[in-house]
Amino acid sequence: SQTIHQWPATLVQPVGSPLSLECTVEGTSNPNLYWYRQAAGRGLQLLFYSVGIGQISSEVPQNLSASRPQDRQFILSSKKLLLSDSGFYLCAWRGETGEKLFFGSGTQLSVL
Amino acid sequence: GENVEQHPSTLSVQEGDSAVIKCTYSDSASNYFPWYKQELGKGPQLIIDIRSNVGEKKDQRIAVTLNKTAKHFSLHITETQPEDSAVYFCAEGDRGSTLGRLYFGRGTQLTVWP
Repeated sequence: SQTIHQWPATLVQPVGSPLSLECTVEGTSNPNLYWYRQAAGRGLQLLFYSVGIGQISSEVPQNLSASRPQDRQFILSSKKLLLSDSGFYLCAWRGETGEKLFFGSGTQLSVL
Repeated sequence: GENVEQHPSTLSVQEGDSAVIKCTYSDSASNYFPWYKQELGKGPQLIIDIRSNVGEKKDQRIAVTLNKTAKHFSLHITETQPEDSAVYFCAEGDRGSTLGRLYFGRGTQLTVWP
């Protein structure tokens, strides 16, 4: 069966520090991968998606970047965090030919 | 596919009553409408979904209806229980797209009082 792992679960970082959140998927190959952000009182905002290794598309301009160095690994990064980067970050995957989207357990990021 | 309106933002019901959450969308190309349940501190979990060629789908106490002409769909929970308390999100997308992007509503905080 397929599983998705996301870490860390919580993270407190000072403004201006770098960020690296990692997500891996097991039990499937060539999945579509996604990073969503959930800010307080707002819905799930799609940040990045990837249909293959090295292929990254951004939905909104921001202080973050994403990379996919391996088929089942998706990384969210920032060189210098802003206060506005605080939020709950969710990684998700979808099968190459499927329609259902499955989420990881999320990372609560607090930038202070 | 980025405009999904969800109402209400909060909903409180007594245990045993029904709960209804409604969403509207604007993209005519949308043909896939899932609903997710998110418990505190966890990732959203898919609870039911419907395709545009179907008007209604039911799974035990949960049902979803779709009016493609009016571009709205609803989640119905009957015989609510305290464990149904969570944030519910609707979403829409194009299941035929290789990109597989889903766009979500802002969520409804459902509280079921015992």
